[in-house]
Amino acid sequence: GAVVSQHPSWVICKSGTSVKIECRSLDFQATTMFWYRQFPKQSLMLMATSNEGSKATYEQGVEKDKFLINHASLTLSTLTVTSAHPEDSSFYICSARGTKGVNTEAFFGQGTRLTVV
Amino acid sequence: DAKTTQPTSMDCAEGRAANLPCNHSTISGNEYVYWYRQIHSQGPQYIIHGLKNNETNEMASLIITEDRKSSTLILPHATLRDTAVYYCIVRVYNTDKLIFGTGTRLQVFP
Repeated sequence: GAVVSQHPSWVICKSGTSVKIECRSLDFQATTMFWYRQFPKQSLMLMATSNEGSKATYEQGVEKDKFLINHASLTLSTLTVTSAHPEDSSFYICSARGTKGVNTEAFFGQGTRLTVV
Repeated sequence: DAKTTQPTSMDCAEGRAANLPCNHSTISGNEYVYWYRQIHSQGPQYIIHGLKNNETNEMASLIITEDRKSSTLILPHATLRDTAVYYCIVRVYNTDKLIFGTGTRLQVFP
C-alpha cells in the first residue's frame, strides 16, 4: 500500500510552547489529509480535514486557533499545536487519500506521540 | 453518519479463522464499509473495503449481507501478529471522512 510518513514519531515539549507535526505522502499525491487524536485506551477522534490549498475544516469542539493546520502541497500537511498544555498530550495521527477516485482507501501515518510537561 | 456496532473483544486460536462481525443498520445505499486495524501504538492499517459485493484480498475477506445492514471480516488463518483492534467504518457519503467507533480487540492465542 501507499506510504504516509509522520515526523516526529514522538516529542516532549514544555508547557506553553508550540509543536509542529509533519505528515507526508511519500509515493502519491494527496488532495485530502486528515488529522486524528487518540487518547490512551480510546478510539481515534477526527480533528480536522485538510485540503490542499485551502483552509482546513475542523470538527465540532476542536479549536482551530490551537491546532493550526497547513496543507501547502499535495504531499505535505502540518499540524501545529500552539501553546501546548499537559492536556494536549496525546497520540496524533494523520491520514491521506490519493487523487485516484472517490472510493479509494486512506492510508495512515505511524502517529506522533506528544507529551507536554 | 451511519454508526457501526462491534463486539468489544474476541479471542481466536492461532491458525483458525477469525470472524469479526459488524452491524451498520443505518447505512445508506452509496456508503462503503471499510475495515482497518490498529496494532498497539501504531497508525491504523487498511485491510479491505466494499460496497455490496463480497471482497477478498491478500489479507482478508469481507462478507456483506444482502441488505447491507451488517458485514463480517474474515481473517482465514489468524496469526499472533493479527492481534490488534479492528475497526469497521462506514465512510460518510460524499465526504472522505472515516469516523472511528470503538472497534473489536482481537486477541489471537497460541
